Amino acid sequence: EAQLLESGGGLVQPGGSLRLSCAASGFTFSNYAMGWVRQAPGKGLEWVSSISGSGSGTNYADSVKGRFTISRDNSKNTLYLQMSSLRAEDAAVYYCVKGETSGWFPWGQGTLVTVSS
Amino acid sequence: EIVLTQSPGTLSLSPGERATLSCRASQSVSSSYLAWYQQKPGQAPRLIYGASSRATGIPDRFSGSGSGTDFTLTISRLEPEDFAVYYCQHYGSSPFTFGPGTKVDIK
Repeated sequence: EAQLLESGGGLVQPGGSLRLSCAASGFTFSNYAMGWVRQAPGKGLEWVSSISGSGSGTNYADSVKGRFTISRDNSKNTLYLQMSSLRAEDAAVYYCVKGETSGWFPWGQGTLVTVSS
Repeated sequence: EIVLTQSPGTLSLSPGERATLSCRASQSVSSSYLAWYQQKPGQAPRLIYGASSRATGIPDRFSGSGSGTDFTLTISRLEPEDFAVYYCQHYGSSPFTFGPGTKVDIK
């Protein structure tokens, strides 16, 4: 059974940086595109970034382009999201997702990022 | 960018009733890349329907339909565990946008 476990969230000051990780298990990690989706408190879902199975292709939402970098280490079955120049509006629960042709699943349990001074 | 609009914003129904949720796209979307997710309070979303078929383990009271710019998720008879927020999403090409969600709550 595919499982995703995020880590790395926490409290960071505006303008600061944070790196999220997502440990994957139960499937051949390198065969699948992966992504990050966030959800601000009480709000809806917002796609943040995606990366191809090989890591050669990446996409970003306009709201994070130039500030966030997605990457993966297929030898460690781990997905990353490096976040810099963080703003108050980046505060959210960040979910790691696996990309399938039939939709995105599973979803991790999420990791909370708080941006505050 | 494809913008997804969901209606209604909130649907108040009783257990056993039929729920019809709408997702409208600003431009044509392939049904092969249109998905529906369910989210309950305090939980991560889970895939309900995608690429014109139910996700694994999803009961057959959930069905999806539509093409082009209009898509529908139908729950034939609401069970207590179905009361949640439902999001549609297109994932065919970046940016992979979500709709704002429809909350199905107990009347």
